[in-house]
Amino acid sequence: GDSVTQMEGPVTLSEEAFLTINCTYTATGYPSLFWYVQYPGEGLQLLLKATKADDKGSNKGFEATYRKETTSFHLEKGSVQVSDSAVYFCALRDGSGYALNFGKGTSLLVTP
Amino acid sequence: DAGVIQSPRHEVTEMGQEVTLRCKPISGHNSLFWYRQTMMRGLELLIYFNNNVPIDDSGMPEDRFSAKMPNASFSTLKIQPSEPRDSAVYFCASTKEGARNQPQHFGDGTRLSIL
Repeated sequence: GDSVTQMEGPVTLSEEAFLTINCTYTATGYPSLFWYVQYPGEGLQLLLKATKADDKGSNKGFEATYRKETTSFHLEKGSVQVSDSAVYFCALRDGSGYALNFGKGTSLLVTP
Repeated sequence: DAGVIQSPRHEVTEMGQEVTLRCKPISGHNSLFWYRQTMMRGLELLIYFNNNVPIDDSGMPEDRFSAKMPNASFSTLKIQPSEPRDSAVYFCASTKEGARNQPQHFGDGTRLSIL
């Protein structure tokens, strides 16, 4: 079945450092890919998405490119801020389905 | 615009008691999902409704769990009787079905603790 694998956390970075959170997936067909962010005590919020190969999703300085050849959707940000501290979830939704398959989440802590 | 609204935000109760979680989806959304989040298992889909009809309840752990959607603006998830292993954060999410790249919008969750 479909699945998403994320790098284990927690990830601790200093403010203004470069961020990469790895995400790879297994799916039949052509899934849509998503990154969600969860701030403490809140629900998940959509951060960005990509619906086909080579699409780049971007939002709030975060980017991720849908790479079909490597089945990856890595999240990147050039300069993180303390306010980016949160848990980040990679997810996929296959072409015929309705449900989201989530990765386990990666906790990010950015220190001043 | 109002987002997905869940209540209560926190619930603490003793094992054996009945627990009812509530969700109001975003107006105009026709699909609703209940998820459970735990440290061990991450986010798990419990049940999915489309146009108020349960489509997939294969994620519901056991008969102690039940969910209803009597109309397009309200859903409940009930646990009876509750057990300590049910302690988790329960999320409701909604979306407008029709395009596969539509994101799901999540509520802030109900943090459930069963003592």
